[in-house]
Amino acid sequence: AQTVTQSQPEMSVQEAETVTLSCTYDTSENNYYLFWYKQPPSRQMILVIRQEAYKQQNATENRFSVNFQKAAKSFSLKISDSQLGDTAMYFCAFMNNNAGNMLTFGGGTRLMVKP
Amino acid sequence: GAVVSQHPSWVICKSGTSVKIECRSLDFQATTMFWYRQFPKQSLMLMATSNEGSKATYEQGVEKDKFLINHASLTLSTLTVTSAHPEDSSFYICSAPDRVGANVLTFGAGSRLTVL
Repeated sequence: AQTVTQSQPEMSVQEAETVTLSCTYDTSENNYYLFWYKQPPSRQMILVIRQEAYKQQNATENRFSVNFQKAAKSFSLKISDSQLGDTAMYFCAFMNNNAGNMLTFGGGTRLMVKP
Repeated sequence: GAVVSQHPSWVICKSGTSVKIECRSLDFQATTMFWYRQFPKQSLMLMATSNEGSKATYEQGVEKDKFLINHASLTLSTLTVTSAHPEDSSFYICSAPDRVGANVLTFGAGSRLTVL
């Protein structure tokens, strides 16, 4: 079974600054995907970024980038130029490519962007 | 892009009654849908995998008779909370891959259930 751990229950950052959210996972699989999802107050889950485990290059999506360290089983999310709209819960998630699209979520990090 | 519609967005019911929540894929077919439960300030916990044309697969600890799942068509899965009690009050979210084997899931907006 896979486990996903987010060690930071809450974080805050000043608008326009950079913040990094941590995520570690545990698996014996070699073929998997990792995701960061955002859940704003509306509670709609929104995909922020994804990473294929077989790719060494870190994924980036505009102001969002990841630091994927496969050997260390670490998958942190960096948000640059933080905006007020980034205030939300952020969930790290794991998908075993051999187990039918099921997502295992971490406990979440509540991010507050301060003006 | 792929859209998953979930209905109702919120529902209040009396203890002992049953409540049905629908999850529809609007512009794609979903042979598989996933049902999650989220308690306040907590993460999403997978309850079951809904499979079109066959029985749902429930996660350990989830009562099959309490949470009935029916995947009636390629675009509709329903979750029925039977004989609801206050402890069943929660936020229920469904999701589906936008194509077979896709590794990105599209989520519904969720359904907040309050059992009085």
